[in-house]
Amino acid sequence: EVQLLESGGGLVQPGGSLRLSCAASGFTFSSYAMSWVRQAPGKGLEWVSTISSSGGSTFYADSVKGRFTISRDNSKNTLYLQMNSLRAEDTAVYYCAQSNVVVTTIYDYWGQGTLVTVSS
Amino acid sequence: QSVLTQPPSASGTPGQRVTISCSGSSSNIGSNTVNWYQQLPGTAPKLLIYRNNQRPSGVPDRFSGSKSGTSASLAISGLQSEDEADYYCAAWDDSLNVPVFGGGTKLTVL
Repeated sequence: EVQLLESGGGLVQPGGSLRLSCAASGFTFSSYAMSWVRQAPGKGLEWVSTISSSGGSTFYADSVKGRFTISRDNSKNTLYLQMNSLRAEDTAVYYCAQSNVVVTTIYDYWGQGTLVTVSS
Repeated sequence: QSVLTQPPSASGTPGQRVTISCSGSSSNIGSNTVNWYQQLPGTAPKLLIYRNNQRPSGVPDRFSGSKSGTSASLAISGLQSEDEADYYCAAWDDSLNVPVFGGGTKLTVL
């Protein structure tokens, strides 16, 4: 059974940093692209970032480019999102999601999400 | 403002058929396939329809998808109370070179 378990969310002040993790199990992690998708309170889904299966290619939404860094450790079956210079508008539930390829909107599996709150 | 446009709400009574639209442009729906997600209250999104009209294993055939030109639709027949959820369309956008989502449609079963 595919499982994606996010962690690392919490309350952080504007300008602060946070690192999210997504522990994967039940599939060959190194064979799949992985993404972060967020959802602000009461709002819709917003794609944040994607990383290729090898980790060699990364992609970011303009809203987070230069502030967020996606990475993965295939030996630990774990996906990361390093978030720096956080802003109030980054407040959201962050989901990790699995896909077969990078250029797609078919996210076959999602984690349960982790809440990031940016507030003073 | 979402790149893909969905009505904010839809409703129907049990047993009824409802449709949810998703409007885009030539750079997204017009040139790529559309996928639909169901998000039950308090849960993560779940893939409902992929490549315009394909259902993942386990999704009831009451759910169907279609695409024409720069628009797509999700149809739910034999509406049930457990279908009450938010529904999102998604497609790749060739101009922006990113995945884009619709704003979501909240389906209420009356």
